[in-house]
Amino acid sequence: GAGVSQSPSNKVTEKGKDVELRCDPISGHTALYWYRQSLGQGLEFLIYFQGNSAPDKSGLPSDRFSAERTGGSVSTLTIQRTQQEDSAVYLCASSPGVAGGLETQYFGPGTRLLVL
Amino acid sequence: AQTVTQSQPEMSVQEAETVTLSCTYDTSESDYYLFWYKQPPSRQMILVIRQEAYKQQNATENRFSVNFQKAAKSFSLKISDSQLGDAAMYFCAYGNSNYQLIWGAGTKLIIKP
Repeated sequence: GAGVSQSPSNKVTEKGKDVELRCDPISGHTALYWYRQSLGQGLEFLIYFQGNSAPDKSGLPSDRFSAERTGGSVSTLTIQRTQQEDSAVYLCASSPGVAGGLETQYFGPGTRLLVL
Repeated sequence: AQTVTQSQPEMSVQEAETVTLSCTYDTSESDYYLFWYKQPPSRQMILVIRQEAYKQQNATENRFSVNFQKAAKSFSLKISDSQLGDAAMYFCAYGNSNYQLIWGAGTKLIIKP
């Protein structure tokens, strides 16, 4: 596709349920990032994938959060036993992966998660 | 550690006027990039403009330009001839050879018709 896509666009769930958020990066981009944006706030880094290297999970807020990237392309962010404080917009971005933070990240439209 | 500060939570400007959004950052590094991203209500984060620290010339993209003051660690965004479609949250971000971008808290830009 032409850009980063994310699904679903919106997700409403009940407290305690598990959710999966999907990100499809730009074809050929080896770097993939997940961010969380709470209402009215900036972006909070969650996790970073680069090629076949082990991901940097240092931004994940708790062990309820996990992410995987299959075949170096599509990524899934999973939140187990959701809590109300998990309500936020989850943004995915990708970049070519050759220059680290010295390259532009391209963002998807995000998934708005609401935990009731 | 690097930090990015946007001191203006909200700015408003009359349509067709010029507005400047402020951003300051703190770093001890010499090689880095600075970015301005725009986030309209659609939530999609869109790159507006970027500046390489080693370049002395200020970046320009149509109606958008930056005033990059490396010594002062300042990176402001100027929007000329403001249009209704410019209304959005604007985020300043810092990137270096490490992959993580450091983000400011954002400035909400309101365009008055």
